[in-house]
Amino acid sequence: GAGVSQTPSNKVTEKGKYVELRCDPISGHTALYWYRQSLGQGPEFLIYFQGTGAADDSGLPNDRFFAVRPEGSVSTLKIQRTERGDSAMYLCASSLTGTSGSDRDTQYFGPGTRLTVL
Amino acid sequence: EDKVVQSPLSLVVHEGDTVTLNCSYEVTNFRSLLWYKQEKKAPTFLFMLTSSGIEKKSGRLSSILDKKELFSILNITATQTGDSAVYLCAVSPWGAQKLVFGQGTRLTINP
Repeated sequence: GAGVSQTPSNKVTEKGKYVELRCDPISGHTALYWYRQSLGQGPEFLIYFQGTGAADDSGLPNDRFFAVRPEGSVSTLKIQRTERGDSAMYLCASSLTGTSGSDRDTQYFGPGTRLTVL
Repeated sequence: EDKVVQSPLSLVVHEGDTVTLNCSYEVTNFRSLLWYKQEKKAPTFLFMLTSSGIEKKSGRLSSILDKKELFSILNITATQTGDSAVYLCAVSPWGAQKLVFGQGTRLTINP
């Protein structure tokens, strides 16, 4: 079936604006993750959803960042009052489960949204 | 704090060479180690390793985990230009459903 999809693929905004990034996980995957990747670095964890609830949001850098997954499928990452330092690739991943300790936890990534804050 | 260190950060070889990429880690309650290949955007899954000493193999790629010495290696034999990418190593700890990534190794295969 289809993989993880993310929209938009690129987003350019001005400092201080609000942005929403969307992630559509693999069908049937209950676990969903957001990561942020700066140039030349590995992805850094932001938040993890199990179903509709945010089970771990310890990676969100501050209260300008918020994410929802209201029906347990599509998720939206929301960033308020964007700053130039928010510029990065935002990656979404999903897995069949999140806690089995087996291959069912393997995370599959989407193509990302490249956010540029001018 | 959980930490993953990859080496080298960058590697340039000729087509046909064999390469070894290294990944060392420090993590409380280790669950698994994963390797991903990132060409342009989406990291694509290569291997998940959970047991020490067991080699995972797929074609020209193979990987092994040493849980005692806390490292893993990714080998690529008979490299091709299509193997050019950033290779990411990540660990998954028990009790935290997230991946902790290393900085990545940028591999360039010249024809």
